[in-house]
Amino acid sequence: DQQVKQNSPSLSVQEGRISILNCDYTNSMFDYFLWYKKYPAEGPTFLISISSIKDKNEDGRFTVFLNKSAKHLSLHIVPSQPGDSAVYFCALTSNFGNEKLTFGTGTRLTIIP
Amino acid sequence: DGGITQSPKYLFRKEGQNVTLSCEQNLNHDAMYWYRQDPGQGLRLIYYSQIVNDFQKGDIAEGYSVSREKKESFPLTVTSAQKNPTAFYLCASKDRDPGNTIYFGEGSWLTVV
Repeated sequence: DQQVKQNSPSLSVQEGRISILNCDYTNSMFDYFLWYKKYPAEGPTFLISISSIKDKNEDGRFTVFLNKSAKHLSLHIVPSQPGDSAVYFCALTSNFGNEKLTFGTGTRLTIIP
Repeated sequence: DGGITQSPKYLFRKEGQNVTLSCEQNLNHDAMYWYRQDPGQGLRLIYYSQIVNDFQKGDIAEGYSVSREKKESFPLTVTSAQKNPTAFYLCASKDRDPGNTIYFGEGSWLTVV
């Protein structure tokens, strides 16, 4: 039973345009949401996060949106750059302590120059 | 430099052998995690530890064992009971501060020959 789904395994976007990555979840107990970026054969690196008390968090070119009623999370990257080409994972956790993260299956983003 | 160090980066194991992957962190984090990534799949949790001398099974613990004798160290043993051990293994850690950001090591490739 996959609690966290990223339904698009891959996405191609023209350089300079907006990239939108989506993540859907089923467990309403999740209350903290993160996005990670991963290059091949490397560990994921943290990008941006949002808690359930907010619906938007912005950090430079990256913005995360949370729609709790729809159990939907999205990451917007604008403008997209070639260095953004990577696999992006959403990760969710159910409390504000040391609980485990549940990861989505990932979306491979390719930025076309 | 603070961080998480995994070793070895690449490891070959013969069928029927146990192998131990090392993970050391100098971030003074309480919680440590082991994830596994298979091609085209997300990160799946093997084991996690929230405090020294304590650990819990994740979603795919069968065929693995861990220990947490020191705060900075969380080695993972892949036993001969693990039926499909070839994968990319990621160690991670997190502190107790709000934010729930997990930091990852660079990963270890294990190949069974």
